[in-house]
Amino acid sequence: GQNIDQPTEMTATEGAIVQINCTYQTSGFNGLFWYQQHAGEAPTFLSYNVLDGLEEKGRFSSFLSRSKGYSYLLLKELQMKDSASYLCAVVDSNYQLIWGAGTKLIIKP
Amino acid sequence: SQTIHQWPATLVQPVGSPLSLECTVEGTSNPNLYWYRQAAGRGLQLLFYSVGIGQISSEVPQNLSASRPQDRQFILSSKKLLLSDSGFYLCAWSSGGDTDTQYFGPGTRLTVL
Repeated sequence: GQNIDQPTEMTATEGAIVQINCTYQTSGFNGLFWYQQHAGEAPTFLSYNVLDGLEEKGRFSSFLSRSKGYSYLLLKELQMKDSASYLCAVVDSNYQLIWGAGTKLIIKP
Repeated sequence: SQTIHQWPATLVQPVGSPLSLECTVEGTSNPNLYWYRQAAGRGLQLLFYSVGIGQISSEVPQNLSASRPQDRQFILSSKKLLLSDSGFYLCAWSSGGDTDTQYFGPGTRLTVL
């Protein structure tokens, strides 16, 4: 079967750095997405990785290792508005998007 | 730029009543369209997707149905709602390009009582 694993919940302090991990076992791989979802709102696109390595976009970076079936989202200089759920999703061999359950990130002052 | 609309934003319906949720996309042609459901505290469950007018693929057998009467319009329906149909319903579109990023509408929160 296909599986995406993310921690259910994480807590971090304002101004700090946090890394949210995602591991996957899917039938094939054609890319990995990270989305941010604030409570009661729709997910918004953050990043897309298809090649190994780090993609940096402002305070957010996303890393991919295809050989390890592993990705992480790195958030720097945390702000209170970063409190949200972060969803990892993998494109499988049929170009279907397989979603993780999401990681709820709580930022404390 | 592209925008996606959903309505209504919230809905409270009795068990056994019908349902119709609408999604429209502006600023793009021939988009891929998707209906998802998200139960409280859970991940996204793909219900239906469409690559063109009248072309609907169902991912999960259930009492819901979808239709795409126009290129940029996607409708989710039910003849008789169940309690288990409660959730957050999200419509999304993608261009079908290389990365095929999905962009979500604001969602409809459905409560079935």
